[in-house]
Amino acid sequence: DGGITQSPKYLFRKEGQNVTLSCEQNLNHDAMYWYRQDPGQGLRLIYYSQIVNDFQKGDIAEGYSVSREKKESFPLTVTSAQKNPTAFYLCASLPGQVEYSNQPQHFGDGTRLSIL
Amino acid sequence: AQSVTQPDIHITVSEGASLELRCNYSYGATPYLFWYVQSPGQGLQLLLKYFSGDTLVQGIKGFEAEFKRSQSSFNLRKPSVHWSDAAEYFCAVGAWGATNKLIFGTGTLLAVQP
Repeated sequence: DGGITQSPKYLFRKEGQNVTLSCEQNLNHDAMYWYRQDPGQGLRLIYYSQIVNDFQKGDIAEGYSVSREKKESFPLTVTSAQKNPTAFYLCASLPGQVEYSNQPQHFGDGTRLSIL
Repeated sequence: AQSVTQPDIHITVSEGASLELRCNYSYGATPYLFWYVQSPGQGLQLLLKYFSGDTLVQGIKGFEAEFKRSQSSFNLRKPSVHWSDAAEYFCAVGAWGATNKLIFGTGTLLAVQP
């Protein structure tokens, strides 16, 4: 079955360390998204990519970086500049642009990041 | 500015009782509206969506939602709640255009009493 795979499910970061969260999809979707979820704040958009080799900042991009070298992969790096990285991170995808208007986002099962 | 408001942070209902979760949105054009459900430690699962046409939409697990343009609302309903419905529910509006992104509400946590 097609879907989105996020790994690892749990991740711990030491002070001053960069960590990378993996997101892989086999849905053949063009667009991919990273959200951060904190209790009581809903989902906030970090970065998104509508096509390979292109990505845009979302609402809370500071302290994060991404790459989109392959259509199926959209890794998120949480850098040491992100001072409060403890959160639940969700990856999502959408089909190509002409289909945006009638398709929902598909979500992975998330990665929970904590600080040691 | 585009936004979604879910005024109820936490709701508790008895099993078998009816449920209504509120959602209000602010969006300049015709909205694309969604309800998602999230179980603890999991991703989001789509319950239902509204793009156009009939304003009463049916979803999975016995849920329905009604789009009311005059009230800028898209409330989620279920006539009889089951214990397995306990989860967090998110309303979202699709801001398609230059950014093509979803704007989420802050969620409503549903507890079900036996």
